[in-house]
Amino acid sequence: EDKVVQSPLSLVVHEGDTVTLNCSYEVTNFRSLLWYKQEKKAPTFLFMLTSSGIEKKSGRLSSILDKKELFSILNITATQTGDSAVYLCAVPPDSNYQLIWGAGTKLIIKP
Amino acid sequence: NAGVTQTPKFRVLKTGQSMTLLCAQDMNHEYMYWYRQDPGMGLRLIHYSVGEGTTAKGEVPDGYNVSRLKKQNFLLGLESAAPSQTSVYFCASRRLAAGDTQYFGPGTRLTVL
Repeated sequence: EDKVVQSPLSLVVHEGDTVTLNCSYEVTNFRSLLWYKQEKKAPTFLFMLTSSGIEKKSGRLSSILDKKELFSILNITATQTGDSAVYLCAVPPDSNYQLIWGAGTKLIIKP
Repeated sequence: NAGVTQTPKFRVLKTGQSMTLLCAQDMNHEYMYWYRQDPGMGLRLIHYSVGEGTTAKGEVPDGYNVSRLKKQNFLLGLESAAPSQTSVYFCASRRLAAGDTQYFGPGTRLTVL
């Protein structure tokens, strides 16, 4: 059965810390993995990863994919209170129009 | 471009009432989706559409119906609302030839009393 598992489910850190969020997956014929950020509204797209070992970067956020070990990590350096959100990971199943969503990691940044 | 918009933003219904949620996108996307999100749970797919006039069931379709009469609009109907349908509903859309990225509307918060 296709699945996406995120860890940890929640994380509380202080401003300035670096955090690493994990997403592991099991799907037939993997083609991409997506990261989203959800504050108190709709999920917004962060990254799409398709190739192993190639880092995607946007400011203090970066993400990398390991297709051999079937996981991705999302790193946030020098965290700020505005980074507080739920971070969602999703993977499309084989030959399908949908996405399989992880339950999300709730990140809280304390000032 | 407005992107994906949803109407209404909030709604309170009584058990047994019906309503329709409207999703509109101006990006000419082929695929559209309806999700629900409950506290502590991830996004669950209700129905989706891969083109005008075509719809399909997702993970949790019971109690909902959809229609896609125009490419830019995707309607979600509740025929007889139940308290279990209290949730936040998100619409999303995706372009056929542009990878798997879905773009979300702002959500509709529905409470069924």
